[in-house]
Amino acid sequence: AQKVTQAQTEISVVEKEDVTLDCVYETRDTTYYLFWYKQPPSGELVFLIRRNSFDEQNEISGRYSWNFQKSTSSFNFTITASQVVDSAVYFCALSEAKGSNYQLIWGAGTKLIIKP
Amino acid sequence: KAGVTQTPRYLIKTRGQQVTLSCSPISGHRSVSWYQQTPGQGLQFLFEYFSETQRNKGNFPGRFSGRQFSNSRSEMNVSTLELGDSALYLCASSLVSNYQGGGETQYFGPGTRLLVL
Repeated sequence: AQKVTQAQTEISVVEKEDVTLDCVYETRDTTYYLFWYKQPPSGELVFLIRRNSFDEQNEISGRYSWNFQKSTSSFNFTITASQVVDSAVYFCALSEAKGSNYQLIWGAGTKLIIKP
Repeated sequence: KAGVTQTPRYLIKTRGQQVTLSCSPISGHRSVSWYQQTPGQGLQFLFEYFSETQRNKGNFPGRFSGRQFSNSRSEMNVSTLELGDSALYLCASSLVSNYQGGGETQYFGPGTRLLVL
């Protein structure tokens, strides 16, 4: 079973629209970490946010906001007033224990297209 | 502070050859992880090095190997290249190893695009 599900393969919106990228995760750990990364066409993964399982506060950073809900195992990402530069593939990832190690488990990514 | 750098950025090889990719982490970061990204399989973890020791390994054949030097720079090697090895290889660095407790933020380089013909 997938541990990190990004059900939206591709989303296309017109500039200035708000858009939400969904991320649903599965883990039995009580301590875990969630991440969002952005991958523009250049290929480099850009870190956006890290959240630990004990901090359910929503976070806002400029036009970006994240909604973490343990009850639904979701960590959704919203871009407000989208811009063309937001076009990229966005990945959600889960860091959980695997034995004594931790590994990042990645979602399949959501390709976001912002049309001018 | 300079980010993670990877060389070369692009590479074309033929089947059966071997290749070495290089990664320089952010200054002060001691952990380096490698990932393979393909359209079909997505992002897959290869291995992680910390203090010149491999701490964690993904499910890749032995043809994929790596090492880390005392200055934290890392190299990965793929021997006997196959067509399926064509991918974007990403290197990421973090302050400490995820082996030590998890949750470390990883910062990625621009990647090396490898094409195997």
